Amino acid sequence: EAGVAQSPRYKIIEKRQSVAFWCNPISGHATLYWYQQILGQGPKLLIQFQNNGVVDDSQLPKDRFSAERLKGVDSTLKIQPAKLEDSAVYLCASSLRNPGDEQFFGPGTRLTVL
Amino acid sequence: DQQVKQNSPSLSVQEGRISILNCDYTNSMFDYFLWYKKYPAEGPTFLISISSIKDKNEDGRFTVFLNKSAKHLSLHIVPSQPGDSAVYFCAASRRTGNTGKLIFGQGTTLQVKP
Repeated sequence: EAGVAQSPRYKIIEKRQSVAFWCNPISGHATLYWYQQILGQGPKLLIQFQNNGVVDDSQLPKDRFSAERLKGVDSTLKIQPAKLEDSAVYLCASSLRNPGDEQFFGPGTRLTVL
Repeated sequence: DQQVKQNSPSLSVQEGRISILNCDYTNSMFDYFLWYKKYPAEGPTFLISISSIKDKNEDGRFTVFLNKSAKHLSLHIVPSQPGDSAVYFCAASRRTGNTGKLIFGQGTTLQVKP
């Protein structure tokens, strides 16, 4: 079974530039999550989708971050414009359907903002 | 507000000995607790979990203990192996009537010396 795919794996940009990350969840998984992991901290949930609807985006900085999950499959997370403090690993995870189902994580995208 | 805390950033043990990783939480509404393991350049992978109705769960070399009155859980690895060297994250959630959102601790880096 293929795991969660993410691209790119690494990205370096300058502040005020835009960046987008892509995630393809495990086939058949209805729930998709985007996490931000800053160095030395644990992953923090940014947004959770159930199919193509948003379940929780309470910690998403909506003035600069946006995410979509068209057709309830793959998803993109965008930052525009980026700030220095956005430097982090962005992890995508998916789970089958119900709250509490095991979350499977992708390898992440490491973003460096200069 | 750090609801899940791992107060030891790192731990070093000798191969064959016991590793004990600790985690504290503040929210009494959490009813499900998990441990994730993370290798460099990979996403976290699920290791073991425990429901709040139990005080112990065992899976091979890994055992998680939950002390609800102290709001404390621990992961025991016996015997420790060099391949266990990784970052371990504790996470907590409210499965009942919630989205299953995971709140992660900061992580503990375990080094097992041959």
